Amino acid sequence: EPEVTQTPSHQVTQMGQEVILRCVPISNHLYFYWYRQILGQKVEFLVSFYNNEISEKSEIFDDQFSVERPDGSNFTLKIRSTKLEDSAMYFCASSTGTSGATLRSYNEQFFGPGTRLTVL
Amino acid sequence: KNEVEQSPQNLTAQEGEFITINCSYSVGISALHWLQQHPGGGIVSLFMLSSGKKKHGRLIATINIQEKHSSLHITASHPRDSAVYICAVRRGAQKLVFGQGTRLTINP
Repeated sequence: EPEVTQTPSHQVTQMGQEVILRCVPISNHLYFYWYRQILGQKVEFLVSFYNNEISEKSEIFDDQFSVERPDGSNFTLKIRSTKLEDSAMYFCASSTGTSGATLRSYNEQFFGPGTRLTVL
Repeated sequence: KNEVEQSPQNLTAQEGEFITINCSYSVGISALHWLQQHPGGGIVSLFMLSSGKKKHGRLIATINIQEKHSSLHITASHPRDSAVYICAVRRGAQKLVFGQGTRLTINP
């Protein structure tokens, strides 16, 4: 069964360093998402991505964050200068959609196993 | 006030019991998801609903759009059902807004 994969499973970094979290969505999916979950808190939406551009983002997703689909398979989240409060579990997700999708073509999201980011 | 509220926050039951987890939301939505988060942190999608009822094995999910309420039921619960169950609603184009989760523990 196809699945979303994420690497690394755990990333430890020093405050101020740049990190790139990687995701390989399910191959025929067209919508891609990043979420985060700070320890003990609820999951929060960061950004959605469709047709090589951001389609929606939350107030959390500020200029320190960026997303990219550098090739046909990877979807990355970059944090430019990490802060202590960026420590969290980051989940990638993907969903299907038809080309020229509208709200009606939204489908179930499939989540990756997550990357635990620890900023020291 | 949170847009998505779940109850109870914690639930402990004996194996075999019928389980109900509730989710209420305060905003207009186009779909509601039930997700399961395992102790290791991974998230699995259980259901996506926009109306009515869905069943998968021992799991049943219902939604009442007028009352802005959904329930997740587990029949014949088993210790392997122990996990955090999360309700999330779709707002905007794709954005999901999550509840705080219900921690379920099933004792043998």
